[in-house]
Amino acid sequence: DAKTTQPNSMESNEEEPVHLPCNHSTISGTDYIHWYRQLPSQGPEYVIHGLTSNVNNRMASLAIAEDRKSSTLILHRATLRDAAVYYCILRTSYDKVIFGPGTSLSVIP
Amino acid sequence: EAGVTQFPSHSVIEKGQTVTLRCDPISGHDNLYWYRRVMGKEIKFLLHFVKESKQDESGMPNNRFLAERTGGTYSTLKVQPAELEDSGVYFCASSQSRAGQETQYFGPGTRLLVL
Repeated sequence: DAKTTQPNSMESNEEEPVHLPCNHSTISGTDYIHWYRQLPSQGPEYVIHGLTSNVNNRMASLAIAEDRKSSTLILHRATLRDAAVYYCILRTSYDKVIFGPGTSLSVIP
Repeated sequence: EAGVTQFPSHSVIEKGQTVTLRCDPISGHDNLYWYRRVMGKEIKFLLHFVKESKQDESGMPNNRFLAERTGGTYSTLKVQPAELEDSGVYFCASSQSRAGQETQYFGPGTRLLVL
């Protein structure tokens, strides 16, 4: 079973910031928090990952709660191309990736 | 750098036939993974190779599925004989290491339809 919980769906207006939440209350000290997304008819695509500190890259930002039991993926300006299913995943070394249902993000023009 | 490639992109076969899916990982990636999504369900792990060795095949549904990675380069996933419930999208992914911070790079998937 997936070790994370996410809302089933979210909507955002184009050009607006989007905050995608993820709860992982059973996270262990060695779990990394990864985010992937899957655009229609494509394979999952890496977005960002972190361990304890907030992370930024060209695609998004990852805000990790101090107790690490939750995190938020931030898309600073949603575009139509960001419409996808976003997966929050915990990974430990040697662990297989377990996908949950993810959050289906719709972007409204 | 070429990404993970999968062949074919689509396959339509009849129940009882055999189908072989191929995955070419990113060059130099020792770790290769197979996943699949059946209709309406979540993406599920099938198995994991480290070079040519099967590290974890706990997700393989039954003995009709056979995965190989001879020489530690590309991998094949054979379904024989195919059943209706095998329909879905089969994804392959690769990574350099198994570390928790390592990114897995996914291929576009093979869409299999068993009639």
